[in-house]
Amino acid sequence: EVQLVESGGGLVQPGGSLRLSCAASGLTFGNYAMTWVRQARGKGLEWVSTISGNGDQTFYADSVKGRFTISRDNSKNTMSLQMNRLRADDTAIYYCAKGGHMSPFDIWGQGTSVPVA
Amino acid sequence: EIVLTQSPATLSLSPGERATLSCRASQSVGTYLAWYQQKPGQAPRLLIYDTSNRATGIPARFSGSGSGTGFTLTISSLEPEDFAVYYCQQRSNWPRTFGQGTKVEVK
Repeated sequence: EVQLVESGGGLVQPGGSLRLSCAASGLTFGNYAMTWVRQARGKGLEWVSTISGNGDQTFYADSVKGRFTISRDNSKNTMSLQMNRLRADDTAIYYCAKGGHMSPFDIWGQGTSVPVA
Repeated sequence: EIVLTQSPATLSLSPGERATLSCRASQSVGTYLAWYQQKPGQAPRLLIYDTSNRATGIPARFSGSGSGTGFTLTISSLEPEDFAVYYCQQRSNWPRTFGQGTKVEVK
């Protein structure tokens, strides 16, 4: 069974930094693109960033470009999101999801909360 | 950016009724359209991908259709566990985008 587990969320001040991680199990991790999607309380889903299976391609929403960096370590089956210069409107639950490059988001983690205040 | 517009915003139906949800794209996404279900406090779950393909474990009462700019998710007979929010999402272009969601609630 494929499982994705996010970690690293927590309260951060505006202008601060945080690093989220997503640990994957039950799959050949390097074969799949991975994605971060966020959801503010009571709002819809917002795509944040996608990284290709081998990490050579990255894609970002305009709202985070230049502030967030997605990366992965296929030897450790992990993906990360380095978030810098955080703003109040970055407050959300951040989900990691499998896929997003040439496939849908077919497996999701349970999410990690990032309040910026 | 491709904007996805879902309608209606809220659908009030009874168990056993048929639900028809619409998703309209601001430009063609071909058939690269997916549907997700989200229940309160839970992560989204993939239901339908590439317009009409059910994801693993999704019951046959869920079906998708359409192409280009107009898509439909149909739930043939609502079960109690189907009352949730549904999102469409395109993977034709970057940035990936979601619709704003349709809430299917108990009438």
